[in-house]
Amino acid sequence: LAKTTQPISMDSYEGQEVNITCSHNNIATNDYITWYQQFPSQGPRFIIQGYKTKVTNEVASLFIPADRKSSTLSLPRVSLSDTAVYYCLVGGPNTGGFKTIFGAGTRLFVKA
Amino acid sequence: AAGVIQSPRHLIKEKRETATLKCYPIPRHDTVYWYQQGPGQDPQFLISFYEKMQSDKGSIPDRFSAQQFSDYHSELNMSSLELGDSALYFCASSLRTSRADTQYFGPGTRLTVL
Repeated sequence: LAKTTQPISMDSYEGQEVNITCSHNNIATNDYITWYQQFPSQGPRFIIQGYKTKVTNEVASLFIPADRKSSTLSLPRVSLSDTAVYYCLVGGPNTGGFKTIFGAGTRLFVKA
Repeated sequence: AAGVIQSPRHLIKEKRETATLKCYPIPRHDTVYWYQQGPGQDPQFLISFYEKMQSDKGSIPDRFSAQQFSDYHSELNMSSLELGDSALYFCASSLRTSRADTQYFGPGTRLTVL
């Protein structure tokens, strides 16, 4: 399974764009990159998933360069309610089965 | 939309007792995952099931066992409870595809061992 590395924490202010980068140097050909958000005492919540280039949905964008060794989650115009832990996961159906490994996520603090 | 249901939501046990946590996946989902999350820690994968068969195993203690039943609900059985087992236990379900799973998590069961 590909190991991921993210910043331990980040601070931002309301209305700013936040970019969280995840490194996954040994990503396999069939691996996808998935991001989850977790609030205290709640289960993680799926945000976005991608394989290459750029993916956008109603809450975030995911940028994946051609070598796929990193990815960046972009949160536009964050609000206080975006304060949470964000996890980057890398895996797929042909890499270690579906043993999901949550690494150390990024704790995002959004200030007023 | 239906979500993952976990019961009970809170559970208090004494050391050396047993506990059973239940998980009801989203209808038509074929894969169930169990995670343990201690205070201030990241979720730790315990075990997963696909179509009622064990799929993968993580850091699940030998004192714990789990299974998925014919109706796809799953139970995590924990015996000889220790203080260190106090944690949030999450169940997640997904529909296995050719891509990476998108897991939908339940609200969790908070287990306190006294």
